[in-house]
Amino acid sequence: DTAVSQTPKYLVTQMGNDKSIKCEQNLGHDTMYWYKQDSKKFLKIMFSYNNKELIINETVPNRFSPKSPDKAHLNLHINSLELGDSAVYFCASSQDSGVLEQYFGPGTRLTVT
Amino acid sequence: AQTVTQSQPEMSVQEAETVTLSCTYDTSENNYYLFWYKQPPSRQMILVIRQEAYKQQNATENRFSVNFQKAAKSFSLKISDSQLGDTAMYFCAWGTSYDKVIFGPGTSLSVIP
Repeated sequence: DTAVSQTPKYLVTQMGNDKSIKCEQNLGHDTMYWYKQDSKKFLKIMFSYNNKELIINETVPNRFSPKSPDKAHLNLHINSLELGDSAVYFCASSQDSGVLEQYFGPGTRLTVT
Repeated sequence: AQTVTQSQPEMSVQEAETVTLSCTYDTSENNYYLFWYKQPPSRQMILVIRQEAYKQQNATENRFSVNFQKAAKSFSLKISDSQLGDTAMYFCAWGTSYDKVIFGPGTSLSVIP
């Protein structure tokens, strides 16, 4: 019955590798987001999709590429991982692109060694 | 640019007591939304309470209430009858119906038995 799910919850990998994080929501929401939470707990939006269309794209290295195969899924692919990519990545969804409450996934802790 | 400030990085409160977490924001917008999110040690981000700027009445959700002062751009969270399960990071957030949500740096709250 999980509303927003992410896989994996933990990801340890080496520099230079390519990895993906998957996100799915079963709330019927139109809008999905990716956030990055750094080691100081600061939370910053990376991307937002509304009905599979990119609507927010913050200043994020182009090594990060979101993909939305349908409005219930928003995956995050990261190429050539760097040490500074280590963080917790949260997926979230909201009913539409208006600022209604966002429902967050459990987060994926990415550690790059 | 819009900013959200939480001036208390850490706070503590005795169980059953009341605590107030501060939040101020800067915006030139007139219509916007404010939120408090809770992130317990489990890492899950949970919406605690939401306030629409056009509503003068302060939002309340069980033991959680806000003091919204629009002119002062202040949005504090009061937790009454604090419980051990309230131990968490608390994030204040601001957003509009057409733009991204901006999160504050967070306040770490410890409830002491």
